[in-house]
Amino acid sequence: EDKVVQSPLSLVVHEGDTVTLNCSYEVTNFRSLLWYKQEKKAPTFLFMLTSSGIEKKSGRLSSILDKKELSSILNITATQTGDSAIYLCAVATSGGSNYKLTFGKGTLLTVNP
Amino acid sequence: KAGVTQTPRYLIKTRGQQVTLSCSPISGHRSVSWYQQTPGQGLQFLFEYFSETQRNKGNFPGRFSGRQFSNSRSEMNVSTLELGDSALYLCASGPRLASEQFFGPGTRLTVL
Repeated sequence: EDKVVQSPLSLVVHEGDTVTLNCSYEVTNFRSLLWYKQEKKAPTFLFMLTSSGIEKKSGRLSSILDKKELSSILNITATQTGDSAIYLCAVATSGGSNYKLTFGKGTLLTVNP
Repeated sequence: KAGVTQTPRYLIKTRGQQVTLSCSPISGHRSVSWYQQTPGQGLQFLFEYFSETQRNKGNFPGRFSGRQFSNSRSEMNVSTLELGDSALYLCASGPRLASEQFFGPGTRLTVL
């Protein structure tokens, strides 16, 4: 059974801090790894990492895929209160024409002013 | 471009009833996936459709079913509702298989 584990489960920081969120996976037929941010509504897409694109950056957020270690990190620098959310990691797998996403339980990030 | 839309947004049903949820993907997207989100289990994959064919199914009982129409809109049906089916049901669409997915606002189902 495919497994995605995120750590830590929750994290409390102060504005301006830098945080690193972790995601490790054990899956069959890895295709890509995705990061989502979920506030009070549905998850919003952040990054997709694949074998051909192992590092992505957007503003204060960046992510790296380590295919050897079967893991990924999401970095957020100079955190702001608006970064408070649940960050979800998902791994896409495919076998033949079948495809699915397996999500981790998420990391709850709280940024205090 | 309009985002993924889901109807209804909120629904209250009683045990034993059945329910149908609807999802309209982003224009041009052919992949539609359904997820159940609960506080205890997190986001769990239900099934995924692409070009009107179910491509994969998660570990849910047969009471959960779905379909996709030729215009890529999708419906999910849950029969014989149980209290444990209370959850946020999310639909996500993507331009192709194994691509990034964009989520709709969800349907909050409460089973009494």
